[in-house]
Amino acid sequence: SQQGEEDPQALSIQEGENATMNCSYKTSINNLQWYRQNSGRGLVHLILIRSNEREKHSGRLRVTLDTSKKSSSLLITASRAADTASYFCATDRLGNEKLTFGTGTRLTIIP
Amino acid sequence: EAGVVQSPRYKIIEKKQPVAFWCNPISGHNTLYWYRQNLGQGPELLIRYENEEAVDDSQLPKDRFSAERLKGVDSTLKIQPAELGDSAVYLCASSLTWRRAKNIQYFGAGTRLSVL
Repeated sequence: SQQGEEDPQALSIQEGENATMNCSYKTSINNLQWYRQNSGRGLVHLILIRSNEREKHSGRLRVTLDTSKKSSSLLITASRAADTASYFCATDRLGNEKLTFGTGTRLTIIP
Repeated sequence: EAGVVQSPRYKIIEKKQPVAFWCNPISGHNTLYWYRQNLGQGPELLIRYENEEAVDDSQLPKDRFSAERLKGVDSTLKIQPAELGDSAVYLCASSLTWRRAKNIQYFGAGTRLSVL
């Protein structure tokens, strides 16, 4: 079963706008990661946030984590056409390396 | 540095036929994963290897699926016989030892299987 559920399922925005997608999960976690998947390709790791962190930045990416609400958000600022992809959150639990992926958000950037 | 290599990229077979997928992980990565990804869904773990040992195969349908990782490097995933519901993308990933790498996984491009 899917641990994470991304919201929205699909998002279309104009190039240059910011994109925000959310992930909710059900059980206590150790780390939460975000991955990107371009059409017909494998997943690429974007950013990892630990359970004791609240916010993390990497380039145009900003991730927040609220463990009390069991949710995370991924913000992509100043979007580009190349950001068009599906985005997945993935969680693991303390002492268990298994990553459990969400259902993904399909992001389309309109040039 | 070469990434995770999978072959073939696409495979079309008739139901009840056997099929095999191959994966070559990133050099030095001792942990290898096989995932299945259905259309519009996230990947779901089938099996995880630490070197040549399968340490988590709880999600692998053992009646028809098998996997091996000889010498702790390359791996093959086999389905015999294939069923219509096996149509999916099969992804291989690798990582360094979890404690060193925070469980960041590197994925291959996948094999898209169509069972007719």
